[in-house]
Formats: sequence, structure tokens, C-alpha cells
Amino acid sequence: QQQVKQSPQSLIVQKGGIPIINCAYENTAFDYFPWYQQFPGKGPALLIAIRPDVSEKKEGRFTISFNKSAKQFSLHIMDSQPGDSATYFCAASMSGGSEKLVFGKGTKLTVNP
Amino acid sequence: DTGVSQNPRHKITKRGQNVTFRCDPISEHNRLYWYRQTLGQGPEFLTYFQNEAQLEKSRLLSDRFSAERPKGSFSTLEIQRTEQGDSAMYLCASSPVRWASHLNYGYTFGSGTRLTVV
Repeated sequence: QQQVKQSPQSLIVQKGGIPIINCAYENTAFDYFPWYQQFPGKGPALLIAIRPDVSEKKEGRFTISFNKSAKQFSLHIMDSQPGDSATYFCAASMSGGSEKLVFGKGTKLTVNP
Repeated sequence: DTGVSQNPRHKITKRGQNVTFRCDPISEHNRLYWYRQTLGQGPEFLTYFQNEAQLEKSRLLSDRFSAERPKGSFSTLEIQRTEQGDSAMYLCASSPVRWASHLNYGYTFGSGTRLTVV
């Protein structure tokens, strides 16, 4: 059972475009939703995270939109740059216990110059 | 201490051999996690430690896998009698306790150990 579903699998945009990556979750006990960025040969690095009590969070060029009733959240990258080319993972976790992360399958983003 | 360190970075082994990976977390982090990532997939949780206690193990962690964190500092992950299906990137991450209450604390992942079983 895949608890976090991510789409699209891959995405190509031109420099300056606004790629959008979507995730849907099933477990309503999740209360923490981070996005990670991973470059080849490296471990994932935290980009931005949100809790379900807010509908949007912005940090620099990265924005998370959150829809609690639909159990969906998305990442928007404003003014995308070639250096943003990487694989992006959404994840979810619940407070207490191990606080382990359940990851989506990832989206490979390519930003063309 | 600038991050989570994993060694070796790459390991090629023959099927049936035993392998051991090491993870050195950020020194002040109580929690240490192991994840496995296969090609084209997101990381999957394997196990976690709080200090030296192993508190949760995934069903993915068969009896051929064992993890230790003997003094609450570094951790080792051993795979016995390796199989081709064990080929993957093994990621270690560390965090302070109750990190999820701090939105941007998060885990710090190492760069992983890529295992290839031939």
C-alpha cells in the first residue's frame, strides 16, 4: 500500500517556468509534510515543510500548497533555474513514536536553460 | 562535524557474502535512522534508534539484516548472505528528538552507501 502518491514522475520546464509537483496521502494521522531535494549521488536534503493547520507556506522560490480536505499537497518552484534540476520527493510523517518519513516515488525535474 | 557521514560510499559484493556499513551521525542528534532507496523510488524506512536503543524495525528488515548503535553514537548495518535484491542505496539520517515539532529541523541525511550484489 503506497501511502503517499506523487506525480508526475518526470517534468521538463524552461528556465523561469513554474514546475508544480503534486502529492496525495491516505493516512489522516499524518501531520507533517516535507519536501526533499536529491541530487545524483547525494542524500535527500530538506527544502520546505508544512503542517496541516496552514494552507500555504513560502520559502524563497519554493511554495507548498496544502489541501487538508482533499488530502493533497503540492510544491511550486517559482522562477526555476537549471540548478534546480534534481529529483524531488514529498513525504509525510506523524508526530510521536519514530516520526519516520513515508516518501513518494519522486519527480525528476529538468530545467532547461 | 558538518553532517552525517557514511562509509563506504560504494560496495560491490558477491551474492552470499556479508557486508557492513557504517554511519556517523551529527554528534548532538539522539535519533538515527536507516532507509533503503532503490532506483526510481523514494527512500523506505528500515529501522531507527533513539540513543543506543533500537525502537522500531520495518518488515523490510528481514532476519538477514541487523543494525546496532552500541554507544549511542555511530551505527552499523550488516546484511548477511546478500542477495541481488539487496542492491540499493542505504541511507542513514539523524535528527534531534521530537524534530517533527520543528518544521524546518527535519532529518539530515548522509550521502548513502550504494550496494551492488553481483
